[in-house]
Amino acid sequence: QSALTQPPSVSGSPGQSVTISCTGTSSDVGIYNRVSWYQQPPGTAPRLIIYEVTKRPSGVPDRFSGSKSGITASLTISGLQTEDEADYYCKSHTSGTTSYVFGTGTKVTVL
Amino acid sequence: EVRLVESGGGLVQPGGSLRLSCVASDFTFSSRWMTWVRQAAGMGLEWVANIKGDESERNFADSVKGRFTISRDNAKNSLYLQMNSLRAEDTGVYYCATNGLPWAFDVWGQGTMVTVSS
Repeated sequence: QSALTQPPSVSGSPGQSVTISCTGTSSDVGIYNRVSWYQQPPGTAPRLIIYEVTKRPSGVPDRFSGSKSGITASLTISGLQTEDEADYYCKSHTSGTTSYVFGTGTKVTVL
Repeated sequence: EVRLVESGGGLVQPGGSLRLSCVASDFTFSSRWMTWVRQAAGMGLEWVANIKGDESERNFADSVKGRFTISRDNAKNSLYLQMNSLRAEDTGVYYCATNGLPWAFDVWGQGTMVTVSS
């Protein structure tokens, strides 16, 4: 159950786009389209922003989009806004049982 | 409003036990998987355990297997985490969450703090 690998930090200016990668294995990210992404501003509980790789829950702006290729999933934030500053975590279902693994987390900074 | 509220956190000595609770409201509790996730201070999220709606399946992270148990009372819309043989590395905020969307935790509680220290 090793954590999925994410870059520690990414940054961008308002209006720019940033992409966060999430690399797993053939036993989690690579085998299922069961990757989700969570946004966590400081001192708050996580919030779901992407599920099943590409889907957005109701109320999540379409600036957030997800994709996957092989064992790597990605989250793209387009038109970066100051309120997007937060930690972001990917999560995947793992094979064998109904268990999950989170990514190591990425801090997004808006310059 | 769909809501989860955790309680039961606190300070406990290494080797001790603690029972966390999570009360759900405004959704069909008995039909959903329920999950515990924890987060040490300044660290990332760690999936801890989950339990199916009818209690027919439970899963645990390797880091807590054999020490933690998960249970639920569907009549009380409540989820529990019994934590035994606690270690310093179990310190953190514990969140309960639920799968309202496929393979994703769409509702989270506010968290309850557990500190394991002498």
